[in-house]
Amino acid sequence: GNSVTQMEGPVTLSEEAFLTINCTYTATGYPSLFWYVQYPGEGLQLLLKATKADDKGSNKGFEATYRKETTSFHLEKGSVQVSDSAVYFCALSAGYKLSFGAGTTVTVRA
Amino acid sequence: NAGVTQTPKFQVLKTGQSMTLQCAQDMNHNSMYWYRQDPGMGLRLIYYSASEGTTDKGEVPNGYNVSRLNKREFSLRLESAAPSQTSVYFCASSVGLAGGSETQYFGPGTRLLVL
Repeated sequence: GNSVTQMEGPVTLSEEAFLTINCTYTATGYPSLFWYVQYPGEGLQLLLKATKADDKGSNKGFEATYRKETTSFHLEKGSVQVSDSAVYFCALSAGYKLSFGAGTTVTVRA
Repeated sequence: NAGVTQTPKFQVLKTGQSMTLQCAQDMNHNSMYWYRQDPGMGLRLIYYSASEGTTDKGEVPNGYNVSRLNKREFSLRLESAAPSQTSVYFCASSVGLAGGSETQYFGPGTRLLVL
């Protein structure tokens, strides 16, 4: 079946540090891939997405590239801010539903 | 434009009690979903409704029922709550089914504690 594996957290960084969160997936066919973010006390919101191989999604300084050859969709940001502290979920869309990874908690210290 | 709203925000139940979680969206979306979020497990789909008048089971439907009351509203009912249903519940909606590149929009969640 379809599944998503993302790096375990928690991840703690200093402001302006580089952030990478690894995500790999298993799926049949050609899923769409997403990163959702959950800020403290809120629901999830879409951060970025990519719908086909080699597509790059980007938003708010975050980027992720759909790599079919390595079945990966790693999230990166070059310089994090305190406001980026949140839980990040990698997800894939296939069939009728989204399959989510377990989530990675990121804390950015000033 | 409130997006997806959920009530209540927090609820404590005793084992065996029943309750209904309410969800409404004002984006004219066709599809709606109920998820539960448990530590270390991401979100798991309980039920979904592809369109008004239809509902289907997701990954973890046991112990739950749903009603798609109209296009806007999608409720989740626990008939006899169990401690294993302690979780955070999220409602979401999308223009169409999440089979392709559809974005889902999430509510703020309901935190449920079953004693």
